Amino acid sequence: SQQGEEDPQALSIQEGENATMNCSYKTSINNLQWYRQNSGRGLVHLILIRSNEREKHSGRLRVTLDTSKKSSSLLITASRAADTASYFCATDRDDKIIFGKGTRLHILP
Amino acid sequence: EAGVVQSPRYKIIEKKQPVAFWCNPISGHNTLYWYRQNLGQGPELLIRYENEEAVDDSQLPKDRFSAERLKGVDSTLKIQPAELGDSAVYLCASSSSRTGARNEQFFGPGTRLTVL
Repeated sequence: SQQGEEDPQALSIQEGENATMNCSYKTSINNLQWYRQNSGRGLVHLILIRSNEREKHSGRLRVTLDTSKKSSSLLITASRAADTASYFCATDRDDKIIFGKGTRLHILP
Repeated sequence: EAGVVQSPRYKIIEKKQPVAFWCNPISGHNTLYWYRQNLGQGPELLIRYENEEAVDDSQLPKDRFSAERLKGVDSTLKIQPAELGDSAVYLCASSSSRTGARNEQFFGPGTRLTVL
């Protein structure tokens, strides 16, 4: 079963533009994580945001969490070709981690 | 620091045959996960180990899947017999509860299984 659901399923943007992906989930969580997966490097952890946090930054990444709406967003600013990948949110509730289906991001040159 | 190692990277077998996957987690990581990822989907947890104890195997199809983590380090995941629907990428991940980054998982490259 999948707790998180990313939106959109696929996204294509020009290099340099910002990319925003959303994740909605169904039950309360302890924290939410975002991962990136590309063919070259497999799944890589990007950022973790706890249920009592509202926003977190890491380099060009900005993650928000709205527990009242059970949703999170991942913003990638000034996108680069290397950002082309699939992005997954993963919800953690009592150490049970469930991944969504992912958003496939394609950065156009 | 060496990452999570998995072998083999690719495996092609005929249905009803057995298959095994091996994972060596990052040194010192006490938590080990096995996931299955179907094409176009996110990873689905099969089993989670804390040291040598399987603490969550609720999603493991126990009629044909088995796993072990002897000595709390390396782990093997076995399917016997394999079915066509088992074709997927099998991912191993590890994390450490000692560093404070309890839930940051480090993934291996995966084993792509094709069942013919």
